[in-house]
Amino acid sequence: AQSVAQPEDQVNVAEGNPLTVKCTYSVSGNPYLFWYVQYPNRGLQFLLKYITGDNLVKGSYGFEAEFNKSQTSFHLKKPSALVSDSALYFCAVRDRIGSSNTGKLIFGQGTTLQVKP
Amino acid sequence: NAGVTQTPKFQVLKTGQSMTLQCAQDMNHNSMYWYRQDPGMGLRLIYYSASEGTTDKGEVPNGYNVSRLNKREFSLRLESAAPSQTSVYFCASKLAGEVAEQYFGPGTRLTVT
Repeated sequence: AQSVAQPEDQVNVAEGNPLTVKCTYSVSGNPYLFWYVQYPNRGLQFLLKYITGDNLVKGSYGFEAEFNKSQTSFHLKKPSALVSDSALYFCAVRDRIGSSNTGKLIFGQGTTLQVKP
Repeated sequence: NAGVTQTPKFQVLKTGQSMTLQCAQDMNHNSMYWYRQDPGMGLRLIYYSASEGTTDKGEVPNGYNVSRLNKREFSLRLESAAPSQTSVYFCASKLAGEVAEQYFGPGTRLTVT
């Protein structure tokens, strides 16, 4: 079965420092991976996705993610954190049953990012 | 272009009451989804509709029913609410195709007392 794990409940960084939010996955077949951000009292917003090709994916708001097949990871990164980046971040993987695409996503439990001034 | 809209934003129910959560999208998306979000558990899929006219159970369907009214609208019904259904509910939609991302509504915060 497909699964995704976010090993950290919370990540704290100082403004201006680089940030990393970790995600590891377990899938059969090729992984399609997504990152979403949720600001307080809002719905989830799509940040970026990895489908195939370049292992470094660039997304919205200056975020990027690095796909590492050997480590089965898809960590979210940003070179210089902003206070406004403070939010809840979710990693997700496309669900598949055999060779069938269900169109569904399986989400990690989320990581709270706190950026301190 | 409003994206995905949900009504109501907040609701308080007593145990045993029923209600319907409404969701609509104006992006001509084929697939629609209902999730619930509980602290520390991420998002869990309740039901989904891969295309107009079809619905399927997700991870946590018990106690819920859905209707894909047309391509735009996908409603979630709680027939007899229970305190365990206290949660934040999100609707999402996406284009057909396995690489398309999902777009989320703003959520409905439901409390069952």
